[in-house]
Amino acid sequence: DQQVKQNSPSLSVQEGRISILNCDYTNSMFDYFLWYKKYPAEGPTFLISISSIKDKNEDGRFTVFLNKSAKHLSLHIVPSQPGDSAVYFCAASENGQNFVFGPGTRLSVLP
Amino acid sequence: NAGVMQNPRHLVRRRGQEARLRCSPMKGHSHVYWYRQLPEEGLKFMVYLQKENIIDESGMPKERFSAEFPKEGPSILRIQQVVRGDSAAYFCASSLGQRNSPLHFGNGTRLTVT
Repeated sequence: DQQVKQNSPSLSVQEGRISILNCDYTNSMFDYFLWYKKYPAEGPTFLISISSIKDKNEDGRFTVFLNKSAKHLSLHIVPSQPGDSAVYFCAASENGQNFVFGPGTRLSVLP
Repeated sequence: NAGVMQNPRHLVRRRGQEARLRCSPMKGHSHVYWYRQLPEEGLKFMVYLQKENIIDESGMPKERFSAEFPKEGPSILRIQQVVRGDSAAYFCASSLGQRNSPLHFGNGTRLTVT
């Protein structure tokens, strides 16, 4: 059973618009959540994270929202750029260990 | 370059041979993770190690796979008697191992078994 789920395998967005990527988790012991971006033939690159004591964290064009009661988090990218086209992985961790990754969402930003 | 270094980038093995994948963590990191990505799938956890210790190997296949992280030198993921189903991208990541400390990944080793 997947502990971290990303139910949208793919997402297409127009350049300049907002991209919203969603992630759900089942383990209430997770206390640290991360988003990674991955280009083909490269390793995942860390984007942004949030600890369970917060409900929002912002870094430039990227904002992560955490809803603990719903066990849901989302990544917002505003404005979206063609270079943002990649696979995005959501990950969750308990006590800084045991990082579990979702299956990924492929984002395509159309010019 | 102080990032996570993996080598080789590409490795071709015939069925039955051994594959050795190496990972040098980011400077200052003492925690290493190995993940496998099969074609069109996500990242599957394999093993988590600290120096000279295996902390969690719950994602490792029971046979043919082993991992180590010696006191000196890189972490090694070893696959004995490879089969076609072992063909995948293998990613290593390292971290400080502290609360709220992210994983940083290498660029992976793509293993092809012919």
